[in-house]
Amino acid sequence: DAKTTQPPSMDCAEGRAANLPCNHSTISGNEYVYWYRQIHSQGPQYIIHGLKNNETNEMASLIITEDRKSSTLILPHATLRDTAVYYCIVRVEEVGGANSKLTFGKGITLSVRP
Amino acid sequence: DTGVSQNPRHKITKRGQNVTFRCDPISEHNRLYWYRQTLGQGPEFLTYFQNEAQLEKSRLLSDRFSAERPKGSFSTLEIQRTEQGDSAMYLCASSPRQKFYGYTFGSGTRLTVV
Repeated sequence: DAKTTQPPSMDCAEGRAANLPCNHSTISGNEYVYWYRQIHSQGPQYIIHGLKNNETNEMASLIITEDRKSSTLILPHATLRDTAVYYCIVRVEEVGGANSKLTFGKGITLSVRP
Repeated sequence: DTGVSQNPRHKITKRGQNVTFRCDPISEHNRLYWYRQTLGQGPEFLTYFQNEAQLEKSRLLSDRFSAERPKGSFSTLEIQRTEQGDSAMYLCASSPRQKFYGYTFGSGTRLTVV
């Protein structure tokens, strides 16, 4: 699976959009981009994933560049409860829908300030 | 069924003792994963099961570690002759086979070896 690069930390003001960047310059054509987050003392939580089109769900939006070498997770209106470590992961979606392991990096620590 | 359940939440043990952790996945999920997380690091993959079959093991899983999922439902992770380096959060996750929405993680078991 391709590796990802994220800055170690960032902060944003409560109520503002949080834009979390991720570089994955060696991503292959069949690799998806996944985002998880981990709030202190809890297990990671799935947020969103995508292949090449932008995706949106109730939690966030995922913007993937046309060359797929980078992506941005957008939390449109950050709250204090969004303070967490956010992990960007790329992995192959195996043929037939089989699952394989996720490889986590260190992630980016997002601090939302009042 | 509200999610992945892990017991105990915390375990303190003396070096050299054996410990066993339990994970109860979401009932309709046939894939189960174990991860280990140390302070400041992302989770590291240990092993995974599809039903009762253990399909992959990480090199991190030394011969002191053993995992089972005897009936394809709950799983146990045992560490024999614990060492201080085993101190970590042990996370369990489950997922369905048919379509990948994302793993559901438990809250983990925090092991402290003294």
